[in-house]
Amino acid sequence: AQRVTQPEKLLSVFKGAPVELKCNYSYSGSPELFWYVQYSRQRLQLLLRHISRESIKGFTADLNKGETSFHLKKPFAQEEDSAMYYCALVDSSYKLIFGSGTRLLVRP
Amino acid sequence: SAVISQKPSRDICQRGTSLTIQCQVDSQVTMMFWYRQQPGQSLTLIATANQGSEATYESGFVIDKFPISRPNLTFSTLTVSNMSPEDSSIYLCSARSGRDYGYTFGSGTRLTVV
Repeated sequence: AQRVTQPEKLLSVFKGAPVELKCNYSYSGSPELFWYVQYSRQRLQLLLRHISRESIKGFTADLNKGETSFHLKKPFAQEEDSAMYYCALVDSSYKLIFGSGTRLLVRP
Repeated sequence: SAVISQKPSRDICQRGTSLTIQCQVDSQVTMMFWYRQQPGQSLTLIATANQGSEATYESGFVIDKFPISRPNLTFSTLTVSNMSPEDSSIYLCSARSGRDYGYTFGSGTRLTVV
């Protein structure tokens, strides 16, 4: 079955600390993966997609096919990074399947 | 990427009534989807809105409860029928662009059923 797993419901770090939000997927074939962010009272926004290999707001994510992972990382967390983060996978019917989400809380 | 206008942004409805949510995309898109986000939960796909044909529903969702229309490549509606308090949720539409194959989302409709 095609599935996305985000094992952490909440991740709390101090400002300036490194951040890693975990995402594992289950998919046979070459996956298409995204990270979305949802700030408080705002719409869901695309943060990263693996095919573009961009760095947005200091975040990066590398696809590791061997570990079937697409972890989101940032070397120095900022308070404005506090939000819900969703990892998502495009399934074989081009539907976007979401993980359960991780709430990132960056403390001052 | 495409920009989606979704309305209403919120509504409070009486149980037993129906609400229709509209999504307008600023460009033609290949695929449109409808999601539900229950309080404190992730996004669950309700259905794929197919242009010119019946929507494709996910397990647990049926056409009688969530009829969907998609008359053209830029517009879709979702109706939540015969509402009960359990339908209180945020409903979002999404579109997949045929140009960059990215997915964008509407701002959501926060529905409260009383």
